Amino acid sequence: AQKVTQAQTEISVVEKEDVTLDCVYETRDTTYYLFWYKQPPSGELVFLIRRNSFDEQNEISGRYSWNFQKSTSSFNFTITASQVVDSAVYFCALRNTGFQKLVFGTGTRLLVSP
Amino acid sequence: GAVVSQHPSRVICKSGTSVKIECRSLDFQATTMFWYRQFPKQSLMLMATSNEGSKATYEQGVEKDKFLINHASLTLSTLTVTSAHPEDSSFYICSAIPESSYNEQFFGPGTRLTVL
Repeated sequence: AQKVTQAQTEISVVEKEDVTLDCVYETRDTTYYLFWYKQPPSGELVFLIRRNSFDEQNEISGRYSWNFQKSTSSFNFTITASQVVDSAVYFCALRNTGFQKLVFGTGTRLLVSP
Repeated sequence: GAVVSQHPSRVICKSGTSVKIECRSLDFQATTMFWYRQFPKQSLMLMATSNEGSKATYEQGVEKDKFLINHASLTLSTLTVTSAHPEDSSFYICSAIPESSYNEQFFGPGTRLTVL
């Protein structure tokens, strides 16, 4: 069975702080994809990243970075120098290559205050 | 990126009425679309997988007679909530898989349904 766990329900930080959102996943498959999505108050899901299970290289995109560790089944997301506009709910998701449906974690609500 | 639209964005209806939500892929053809439901402060839960020209596949616990899904063309899937009740109030989100790019999935902006 597939499962995604985001243990942090809500995180509050002050602007310019760095923050890491944790994601732990479970799957029996050797080939899969991991995703991060941002959901601002408007509700629309914003795609942030997709990572193939064979690619453990960490990725950086501006203030965003992702740390994929297969040994611990984790795919953590770090925002550097957070900004108020980063306030949103962030979802980690898992998808096996044989099936297209996504399994979402419960989400982490990030509140960045000025 | 590819665009998926949903209509309406918000709908308020009376208990017992039926509501239809449309999901359209605007600039690509989608053989597969998904319907998700999201209750306040909760995660997205997959309701059903919609394949063009065939019956939808519903997830366990989702009543297929209550949530009717039609995927009549490669750019349109509809979700009809029949005899809606207040507990059906939720945020409904669709996503679409492009025919040409199996690994991509694009989400619509969501439809907020409120049943009075």
